Amino acid sequence: DVKVTQSSRYLVKRTGEKVFLECVQDMDHENMFWYRQDPGLGLRLIYFSYDVKMKEKGDIPEGYSVSREKKERFSLILESASTNQTSMYLCASRPVGSGNTIYFGEGSWLTVV
Amino acid sequence: KQEVTQIPAALSVPEGENLVLNCSFTDSAIYNLQWFRQDPGKGLTSLLLIQSSQREQTSGRLNASLDKSSGRSTLYIAASQPGDSATYLCAVRQGGSQGNLIFGKGTKLSVKP
Repeated sequence: DVKVTQSSRYLVKRTGEKVFLECVQDMDHENMFWYRQDPGLGLRLIYFSYDVKMKEKGDIPEGYSVSREKKERFSLILESASTNQTSMYLCASRPVGSGNTIYFGEGSWLTVV
Repeated sequence: KQEVTQIPAALSVPEGENLVLNCSFTDSAIYNLQWFRQDPGKGLTSLLLIQSSQREQTSGRLNASLDKSSGRSTLYIAASQPGDSATYLCAVRQGGSQGNLIFGKGTKLSVKP
């Protein structure tokens, strides 16, 4: 069965802290994504990666960076967390090909205080 | 820039009713369209994916249609059940093999027993 695992479901961090959100998929998918979801704004793409060590900015990359050292793992990094980064973060993966569906993790709720 | 709109934002129906959720998009140059279900506090689960060359897809009590030329899709749910209560999101995929999804903000469905 398809599995996208986000290691931390709930986090509380202080302003200015460095935060790592980890995502692992077990399906050998090439493409991986990080979204954030906020009430009234929907899902917005932060970064995506289509291969190891490759990354592309999404719609709202400011304040975030990513790392993809292995195919199965895609990390989202908040270099210096701020309160406006309090949100639900969703990781997803998808194989290459226009007809393929995307699979989401369960989400990580981040609160920055 | 592609925009995806879902109307209504919320819908409440009695159990057993057939219902239709609507999704519209502004740019007809899409690769495919997906419908997702999201339970509170959880990630997204893919329900149906319609390729741009297709008119509809069916899975159990769900039927999704796509009219690319008019920029519209509908999700039909037959004989609704309380377990169908969730937020339903549609997303269109653009671009090449790395194409990203553009999401609507969802319709929150409540099915009353």
